Amino acid sequence: DAGVIQSPRHEVTEMGQEVTLRCKPISGHNSLFWYRQTMMRGLELLIYFNNNVPIDDSGMPEDRFSAKMPNASFSTLKIQPSEPRDSAVYFCASSGGSSNYGYTFGSGTRLTVV
Amino acid sequence: AQRVTQPEKLLSVFKGAPVELKCNYSYSGSPELFWYVQYSRQRLQLLLRHISRESIKGFTADLNKGETSFHLKKPFAQEEDSAMYYCALRGGGGNKLTFGTGTQLKVEL
Repeated sequence: DAGVIQSPRHEVTEMGQEVTLRCKPISGHNSLFWYRQTMMRGLELLIYFNNNVPIDDSGMPEDRFSAKMPNASFSTLKIQPSEPRDSAVYFCASSGGSSNYGYTFGSGTRLTVV
Repeated sequence: AQRVTQPEKLLSVFKGAPVELKCNYSYSGSPELFWYVQYSRQRLQLLLRHISRESIKGFTADLNKGETSFHLKKPFAQEEDSAMYYCALRGGGGNKLTFGTGTQLKVEL
């Protein structure tokens, strides 16, 4: 298994543009998580899905952020319109759901909004 | 509510010195605790789970319910230990991990 796959690895965009981040979880994992990492605030959970259903989106900063999981092998995180303060590294992680497991993280997408 | 506190943003030690990265948690039930490590510009990797009571790369961590702590320890630091370390908690039967803000460990020669 190639692990959790995120794309793109880097994204530079202008303020006001739409940004879409993509994630492919590990096959067979039934939970998927989106995190944002910044120097000031560390790792913040934005949203997570169980069996493709959003369970907790309380960490989504505002209406500009949306996430979807149309099937078990794909999820997107969209920011529209993007702002400079959205600049961060966005990590996707998946989990098999057993209490003995932690998460497997993707390599992250480094987003810069100018 | 569950909360994880890592009081040190940066910890600097010399090679061969002991290391202790502090983690305290707040949770009313029985938590599951984890340590994750992130080497420079790489993905986060699971280092330890308290349930496993294992030693990985010379690191150990003991869950102390009385002090609500899960400190990460290593007797002799190595240069390759330099990384960002995150403590994380899962509780309530759900699958959500709550992370601390992380501690940057720097091992100097």
